[in-house]
Amino acid sequence: GESVGLHLPTLSVQEGDNSIINCAYSNSASDYFIWYKQESGKGPQFIIDIRSNMDKRQGQRVTVLLNKTVKHLSLQIAATQPGDSAVYFCAEIFAGGTSYGKLTFGQGTILTVHP
Amino acid sequence: EPEVTQTPSHQVTQMGQEVILRCVPISNHLYFYWYRQILGQKVEFLVSFYNNEISEKSEIFDDQFSVERPDGSNFTLKIRSTKLEDSAMYFCASNQLWTGELFFGEGSRLTVL
Repeated sequence: GESVGLHLPTLSVQEGDNSIINCAYSNSASDYFIWYKQESGKGPQFIIDIRSNMDKRQGQRVTVLLNKTVKHLSLQIAATQPGDSAVYFCAEIFAGGTSYGKLTFGQGTILTVHP
Repeated sequence: EPEVTQTPSHQVTQMGQEVILRCVPISNHLYFYWYRQILGQKVEFLVSFYNNEISEKSEIFDDQFSVERPDGSNFTLKIRSTKLEDSAMYFCASNQLWTGELFFGEGSRLTVL
């Protein structure tokens, strides 16, 4: 069935390094992808999104790459800081859905940034 | 900065009891959602609400669940007769536009004994 999943459940980096968090999706009909960050004890927080007609989108210190050929999504964080430590979720919205708020979340990657 | 607020932060209840989780979405938002996250698992969609009615719901959102917007500010999730497997963190979210950028509250942890 359709699913959104992550290759690596944990990622540990040094402060200042670049981080790459990966996500695989199985439904080629998905047309909108979002990355969320969840800090301990808080709700998910929107980071960046990308639509299927794009293959790259940049924000502040973050870049999302979309490879529709292999159904792969990644989040790159530049100059990772201790405050970036959190669980990162990718989420997708299926084309033809009636609600843009109906997100299908992946399992999450724990990012730990060491000072 | 405006935020989504949820109460209670933690509720413990006995199996079979009714529970109401409350949310105050951001004031100018039009779309409202409930999600849940069982410990260690994915965040799962429950229901979306717009214009005073449910616009979409998941298979989790069965007859035991209901949502209501009783006034201009609150958005509630009711579980009529709780089961052990309802134990989870319940997140309320809202947004103004029809996008995937949702604003989540900090969650209400429900523990069913």
